[in-house]
Amino acid sequence: GQNIDQPTEMTATEGAIVQINCTYQTSGFNGLFWYQQHAGEAPTFLSYNVLDGLEEKGRFSSFLSRSKGYSYLLLKELQMKDSASYLCAAVDSNYQLIWGAGTKLIIKP
Amino acid sequence: ETGVTQTPRHLVMGMTNKKSLKCEQHLGHNAMYWYKQSAKKPLELMFVYSLEERVENNSVPSRFSPECPNSSHLFLHLHTLQPEDSALYLCASSQEEGRGDAEAFFGQGTRLTVV
Repeated sequence: GQNIDQPTEMTATEGAIVQINCTYQTSGFNGLFWYQQHAGEAPTFLSYNVLDGLEEKGRFSSFLSRSKGYSYLLLKELQMKDSASYLCAAVDSNYQLIWGAGTKLIIKP
Repeated sequence: ETGVTQTPRHLVMGMTNKKSLKCEQHLGHNAMYWYKQSAKKPLELMFVYSLEERVENNSVPSRFSPECPNSSHLFLHLHTLQPEDSALYLCASSQEEGRGDAEAFFGQGTRLTVV
């Protein structure tokens, strides 16, 4: 079966760095998305990786290793507003999104 | 403002009621989606429409009935729901269906409670 694993919850300190991991098992692979979802709000796009390596976008970076079925989202210089759920989703061979259950990130002062 | 608008934001309905959820996008996208989001569970894809034609129905019970009258509007008609159907229902759109890099734009969702 197809599956996405990511931690349920993580806690970090304002100003620090946090890495949210995601492992996937899918039939075929056509890329991986990260979305951010604040409580009571719409998920919003953060990144898309289809090739191996690190892509940096401001304070957020996303990494992909296709051989390991692994991705992570790196958040630097954490701010209180980064408290949210982070959703990982892989695209399978049929271009269907396979979603993880999300990681709730709690930022403490 | 995400470009995708859902109404209502909150809905409480009895098991014998009939109600409809509405979604509207002004992004010029060709594909629209309904998802169910339950606490601590992955997003569940319910229905996919591409150019107003339904292309996906992931074994959703018939008490959920989608309607796509045009490429900008999507409805989810609800009838005789069960308490376990209580969840956040998210609408999304993307430029095209069937593209790996097609970013989805989500509405803020309808929080549905079935009593």
